[in-house]
Order: sequence, then C-alpha cells, then structure tokens
Amino acid sequence: GAVVSQHPSWVICKSGTSVKIECRSLDFQATTMFWYRQFPKQSLMLMATSNEGSKATYEQGVEKDKFLINHASLTLSTLTVTSAHPEDSSFYICSAPSVAGGPDTQYFGPGTRLTVL
Amino acid sequence: DAKTTQPTSMDCAEGRAANLPCNHSTISGNEYVYWYRQIHSQGPQYIIHGLKNNETNEMASLIITEDRKSSTLILPHATLRDTAVYYCIVLFSTSGSRLTFGEGTQLTVNP
Repeated sequence: GAVVSQHPSWVICKSGTSVKIECRSLDFQATTMFWYRQFPKQSLMLMATSNEGSKATYEQGVEKDKFLINHASLTLSTLTVTSAHPEDSSFYICSAPSVAGGPDTQYFGPGTRLTVL
Repeated sequence: DAKTTQPTSMDCAEGRAANLPCNHSTISGNEYVYWYRQIHSQGPQYIIHGLKNNETNEMASLIITEDRKSSTLILPHATLRDTAVYYCIVLFSTSGSRLTFGEGTQLTVNP
C-alpha cells in the first residue's frame, strides 16, 4: 500500500524555538496533505490542509502564523511550529490521500511527538 | 458529513471475532462509511470502506444495514495486535476529503 513517512519521529525543544516536521509520500504523489494534532487520551484534530503550490487552509482556531505549512512538491509537506511553547507539546500526524486505495482513502504517517520544555 | 456514534470501549478474546458497531442514522445516500484504526502512539491505518453493499478485504469485513443507518466492522479472528482505537467515519467521496475523527472505540483483545 501507499506509504507516508514523517521526520523526525520525536523532537524535544526549548520554549521559544521553532521546529520543522516533514511529511513525505514515498511511492505516490499528493497534491493535498493533511496535518492533525493529537493530545494525550484525545482524538485526532485536523489542523490544516496543505495544498501543493498554493496556500494551506487552516481549520478554525488554528493560528496560521504559528503553524507554518509549506507544500513545495508533490511528495513533501512541512509543518513548522514557530516559537513553540509547552502547550504545543503534542503528537503531530500527517496524511495524504491516494486513489490507489479507492475513493478518499487516506494514508497516515507514523506521527511526530513534540515535547516543548 | 453525518455524525457517528460508537461505544467507548469493547473487549474481545484472542482468536474470536470482534464486532464493532457504528450508528450513523443521518447518513445521506452519497456518503461512504470508512473505518480506520489507531494503534497506540502510531498514525491511523485505513481498514475498509463501503457505500451500500457489504465489503470484505484481508483485514476485515464491513456489514452495512439495508437502511444504511448503522454498520458493523468485523475482525474475524482478533489477535493481540488488533488492540487499538477504531474510528467509524462517514463522508462524501470527493478526492482528498478532510477526515473528522470522533472518539472511536477502544478495542482490547485479551489473551
């Protein structure tokens, strides 16, 4: 099946620094990718839709200046958490749709655990 | 997208069939039923989807009632590795639709 990777798998950073998370579709192209955030014992919350070659679309309540998304190619989307604070500590997951799996089948990355000290 | 209702948790004995129900009484005719699961600390994994007919693949079977207001995901021979949160999601089939995750069902497979 289609594979989506994320890098890094985990990161620890100091408060006030920025962290970049990469999401790659390894064997298929994705003009759209999605970014989710998951706090402990909670469900996934969609943050934004990443669009190749155009601006990302953010969900209500998600600060676009804090969570910068760049979709520079058909296989790569990046999420940069700027000026990270402890409340940004979370599990960040990306996904990409692949028509190979049928309509609307999404393939998810393994996730990136961010801890802000 | 139609709202779904799932039990919070379920238990199943290893080797037995796990039957996970999902209610989606407000589903419309063009909405598909999708199932994903998330093993602890991993990204979600696609399991199966269907529109009207029952579906089966190498992972599971999906049984959709005739009125489409509910469905059941069946894992025929559950193993310990099937312990996960299972999400039932209903949405229109347009390319790259956004997924809205509910709370899902925590399935625990016991030895």
